[in-house]
Amino acid sequence: NAGVTQTPKFQVLKTGQSMTLQCAQDMNHNSMYWYRQDPGMGLRLIYYSASEGTTDKGEVPNGYNVSRLNKREFSLRLESAAPSQTSVYFCASSIGTLSISNQPQHFGDGTRLSIL
Amino acid sequence: GESVGLHLPTLSVQEGDNSIINCAYSNSASDYFIWYKQESGKGPQFIIDIRSNMDKRQGQRVTVLLNKTVKHLSLQIAATQPGDSAVYFCAENHGNNRLAFGKGNQVVVIP
Repeated sequence: NAGVTQTPKFQVLKTGQSMTLQCAQDMNHNSMYWYRQDPGMGLRLIYYSASEGTTDKGEVPNGYNVSRLNKREFSLRLESAAPSQTSVYFCASSIGTLSISNQPQHFGDGTRLSIL
Repeated sequence: GESVGLHLPTLSVQEGDNSIINCAYSNSASDYFIWYKQESGKGPQFIIDIRSNMDKRQGQRVTVLLNKTVKHLSLQIAATQPGDSAVYFCAENHGNNRLAFGKGNQVVVIP
């Protein structure tokens, strides 16, 4: 049971390049999330998907797009990378839904992204 | 591994002693709280959660206390071990199964 798997683990991009971060979970979870973590800032929600086929903006969505490909997979895309997007990106999933509230989120080990 | 935070509040504790990590939350309507542990180079790992209808919940070597009057949450770790060295985050529910995270507390265990 792998839990939440993120690929790649590390990536270096040049300003203006595009990239898709992949996330897959094998826990049959309903909700999936993308966060970024910067020094001293904690975890900030970029986008989330409360169920297959739905996505919603979080706290810091600008410069990102997401796709909930199916129940297992939730990808994050940077269309034109900027140095301000240098960060560690975490994907998480939860069994929670609108009718199953207050459930913990389970995290992958992150993608470390540097944009030059 | 990389640092997950600069200038985080740091608790230094002797191995074998008990640790107490504190967290103030912002929303008096929050009804669900979680503690996470993050080791260097890893993702946050779920430790324990508590719902607002409880004041205390115990796990293996960990206890979470919730004081809704002053909007305060604490995590107690009994008999702290070197493997407990990490950054600890509290989180509160933010509606629609979203969480709002605190900035974290660094725990350093001294052998």
